[in-house]
Amino acid sequence: DGGITQSPKYLFRKEGQNVTLSCEQNLNHDAMYWYRQDPGQGLRLIYYSQIVNDFQKGDIAEGYSVSREKKESFPLTVTSAQKNPTAFYLCASSISGYRRNQPQHFGDGTRLSIL
Amino acid sequence: GQQLNQSPQSMFIQEGEDVSMNCTSSSIFNTWLWYKQDPGEGPVLLIALYKAGELTSNGRLTAQFGITRKDSFLNISASIPSDVGIYFCAGQAYNTDKLIFGTGTRLQVFP
Repeated sequence: DGGITQSPKYLFRKEGQNVTLSCEQNLNHDAMYWYRQDPGQGLRLIYYSQIVNDFQKGDIAEGYSVSREKKESFPLTVTSAQKNPTAFYLCASSISGYRRNQPQHFGDGTRLSIL
Repeated sequence: GQQLNQSPQSMFIQEGEDVSMNCTSSSIFNTWLWYKQDPGEGPVLLIALYKAGELTSNGRLTAQFGITRKDSFLNISASIPSDVGIYFCAGQAYNTDKLIFGTGTRLQVFP
């Protein structure tokens, strides 16, 4: 089955620790995205990547880092510099970030909580 | 970052009723998307709109791309319990690859 897989579903972090969220897609999509969702709010863009080995900051990149070494993988690291990391994190992909009018498809999310 | 104005914030309706929700923007978009999110899951794409004035249906769902290109509407006819969830609009401007999301409309359907 083609799709976007996020793991783990639930993640707990101690204060001061970095933690990495996994996102894998087998849709052969070029573009991948990370969003943060807080209760009662829409999705806010953290980072996005239009092609392998390239990525750009979104609206709320501070305290986060990403890498795009493989087309199918776009891991997100939540660093200790992120002061309020508790949220629901969503990964998405689209056929191409350069071509217009390409809808994004989402994984099922990772819920991160601080212990 | 910019977010779209989506209304209403929440709706409580009886099964069988029709539902309408909308999104407005201060800037022009060239793509409008509507997603549904169930609790604890990722959003699922319902309808994509690419042209001003376009009216597109997906089963009981109908969405329209506003003629001004600054708004979009989603209608659900004859609601059923599985329509419960949060509905998000998202817009994409011409000169960007990024989506801007609305704040969501939470729909509750009572039998």
